[in-house]
Amino acid sequence: GDSVTQTEGQVTVSESKSLIINCTYSATSIGYPNLFWYVRYPGEGLQLLLKVITAGQKGSSRGFEATYNKEATSFHLQKASVQESDSAVYYCALSRHTGGLSGKLTFGEGTQVTVIS
Amino acid sequence: EAAVTQSPRNKVTVTGGNVTLSCRQTNSHNYMYWYRQDTGHGLRLIHYSYGAGNLQIGDVPDGYKATRTTQEDFFLLLELASPSQTSLYFCASSDWGNYAEQFFGPGTRLTVL
Repeated sequence: GDSVTQTEGQVTVSESKSLIINCTYSATSIGYPNLFWYVRYPGEGLQLLLKVITAGQKGSSRGFEATYNKEATSFHLQKASVQESDSAVYYCALSRHTGGLSGKLTFGEGTQVTVIS
Repeated sequence: EAAVTQSPRNKVTVTGGNVTLSCRQTNSHNYMYWYRQDTGHGLRLIHYSYGAGNLQIGDVPDGYKATRTTQEDFFLLLELASPSQTSLYFCASSDWGNYAEQFFGPGTRLTVL
C-alpha cells in the first residue's frame, strides 16, 4: 500500500533561521496522490497547513511552502524564517484519487519542531 | 468555524475494561474518522463512516468497534481493552471528495493499565 516517510522525528531550530522537514512517499497504486501537510499545536487537534493535488505545483500558507515533486516522490516543507509560534508537530500525508469519494489519508510519523529563542 | 469535539479528553481503564470514546461534529460533514496516534507511527485509521448507520473498516480495526448514530455523532468502542490500545485517539470529519480537508478534534488520551 501507500506509505509516507518523514526522516526527522524531532528538529530544533533557532528563531529566525530556516526550516526544512523532509517528506517522501511511496504510492503503489496507479496515478498520482494528493499531498498534504497538517500541523498539530500543543493541546489541539491537527489542522490543515497546505495541500497540493497537482504534480509540479507548489502550495504555501503562513510562510510555509512545499512543492509536489513526482520524480523524487517528495513533498518537503520549508520556511525561510521560523518563529517560536511555529513550534508544533508537522505531519505529511497523502490521499488517493479513487473511484470513491473517501478522503482517506495516509500519514507520516510526524516531526516535532521546537523553535528556540 | 468547523468544530469537532471529543470526550473524554483523558481516560484511564484497566485491562478487560469497556471504553467508549465519543466524537461530535457540527460541520454538517458526511465523513467521520477515528485514528490512533502512537510514537513512531503516523496517525493510523481505525474506522470511518460516510453517514449515519454506515461503517467502513480502516487499516487497524482489530479490537475496535464503531458506530455512527447520527450525522453528528461517531463512537469508538473498546469492549475488552488491552494495554496495546493505550494511545492518543483523534476523531475527524470531512466533506465529500478525496482531497477534502479533514477537521480534527483535540484528541483523547487513553491509558489501559
